[in-house]
Amino acid sequence: SAVISQKPSRDICQRGTSLTIQCQVDSQVTMMFWYRQQPGQSLTLIATANQGSEATYESGFVIDKFPISRPNLTFSTLTVSNMSPEDSSIYLCSVEWGQGRKTQYFGPGTRLLVL
Amino acid sequence: GNSVTQMEGPVTLSEEAFLTINCTYTATGYPSLFWYVQYPGEGLQLLLKATKADDKGSNKGFEATYRKETTSFHLEKGSVQVSDSAVYFCALRDQGAQKLVFGQGTRLTINP
Repeated sequence: SAVISQKPSRDICQRGTSLTIQCQVDSQVTMMFWYRQQPGQSLTLIATANQGSEATYESGFVIDKFPISRPNLTFSTLTVSNMSPEDSSIYLCSVEWGQGRKTQYFGPGTRLLVL
Repeated sequence: GNSVTQMEGPVTLSEEAFLTINCTYTATGYPSLFWYVQYPGEGLQLLLKATKADDKGSNKGFEATYRKETTSFHLEKGSVQVSDSAVYFCALRDQGAQKLVFGQGTRLTINP
C-alpha cells in the first residue's frame, strides 16, 4: 500500500484564523480525498482532489471554507479557513491504491482544536 | 442512497472472548465492503475487505464474509486481545463510485 504522511499531526488554533494541512504520498496517485471526523463521530467526505483540476466538494462543504490544492500526483493541501470551534475535528487524507477495484488508504490524520 | 449501519457501541469484552460486530448495508449496485480500524490517537487502517458476494476478508485473526442475501458484512474474531481495543468502521464503496460511505463506528474495549 502507499505510505501517507500528514502535517501537522495536531494543532491548536484561535478562531478566525486559517490552517493548511499537508498530505504527502510516497507514490503517484490519481485520486486523493479529504475527510473530516468530528469528535466521537464517523468520517465525512469533504472533497475529492484530482491532479490538475478543481476539487469536487460534497454537499455541505464549500471551496471558500475548505480550499484544496493538488499541484502534483503525490501532494495535496486542505485549508480550513476562518476557523470556529465547530471546526475542531480530525482531518484525514486518503488515496486510492491497487489494481482493479482500488482500496482507499488513510493518512494518520491532523487533530485540530479551535479555541 | 447508499448507507451502512453498524452495531451500536460501545462494546466491552474480556480477553479471549468471541467478538461479533454487526454491519448491514444498503447499496444500489454491487459494492465493495471494508472494515477499517482506528486505534487510539491514530488514523484509519484498513483491516480487511471483500469485493464480491461470498468473498471472505481476513486479517490479524479477524474475518468478515460478504453476504449479499442478507446485505451484511459482520466482523468476527474468535479470541480478542487487549490490543484489539479500538474503534471499528464498516464502509462500502459502490461499483463505479469513488466515495466511501462509513458506518457510525463501534468502540471496542477489551479488558484483561
